[in-house]
Amino acid sequence: NAGVTQTPKFQVLKTGQSMTLQCAQDMNHEYMSWYRQDPGMGLRLIHYSVGAGITDQGEVPNGYNVSRSTTEDFPLRLLSAAPSQTSVYFCASRRGSSQPQHFGDGTRLSIL
Amino acid sequence: AQKVTQAQTEISVVEKEDVTLDCVYETRDTTYYLFWYKQPPSGELVFLIRRNSFDEQNEISGRYSWNFQKSTSSFNFTITASQVVDSAVYFCALSEDSTGGFKTIFGAGTRLFVKA
Repeated sequence: NAGVTQTPKFQVLKTGQSMTLQCAQDMNHEYMSWYRQDPGMGLRLIHYSVGAGITDQGEVPNGYNVSRSTTEDFPLRLLSAAPSQTSVYFCASRRGSSQPQHFGDGTRLSIL
Repeated sequence: AQKVTQAQTEISVVEKEDVTLDCVYETRDTTYYLFWYKQPPSGELVFLIRRNSFDEQNEISGRYSWNFQKSTSSFNFTITASQVVDSAVYFCALSEDSTGGFKTIFGAGTRLFVKA
């Protein structure tokens, strides 16, 4: 069972570069989310989706875009990378608002 | 607005001690869900428990127990007879069932060190 798959696992970017973090789930979950984890700040919600074609902003959306064209995929785009976006990024999915999150293994991103 | 506060940044105990991790939440919803997750040093996030706002019964699972009190907006987690394998970061989370959104918000986490 794959669950939630994130790629890549590690990435180093230069300031100003753009990239897309991929997230795919095979559990047919409607709800998907992106979080960033920084020391001492826990997991902060970037963007989330409650179904294909429906996305909304979380706590820290600036500098990131998302789209949800299919139930399975929820990519996160960094438009112009900044050192402040150095973090560990987690994608998560769940069946409904009352259900626990299933997390991917994370992407460790460094912006130089 | 949703908020989850885990005031304890780090806790250090000696093996076999009991330890309680605190979680205080804020919500305007009457229907909401509370969760605890564990993040061991390997980095993955593991779901431990879910509680809904209508169920204030405490729960025990082996050495783990949870105390949910709506009157104080708290959902505390106790580990009895701690073990080295309990060393991890523990996150409390809140999910609201409102038309304003279906977000899950996490606390900042409590890092637990259990020394042998």
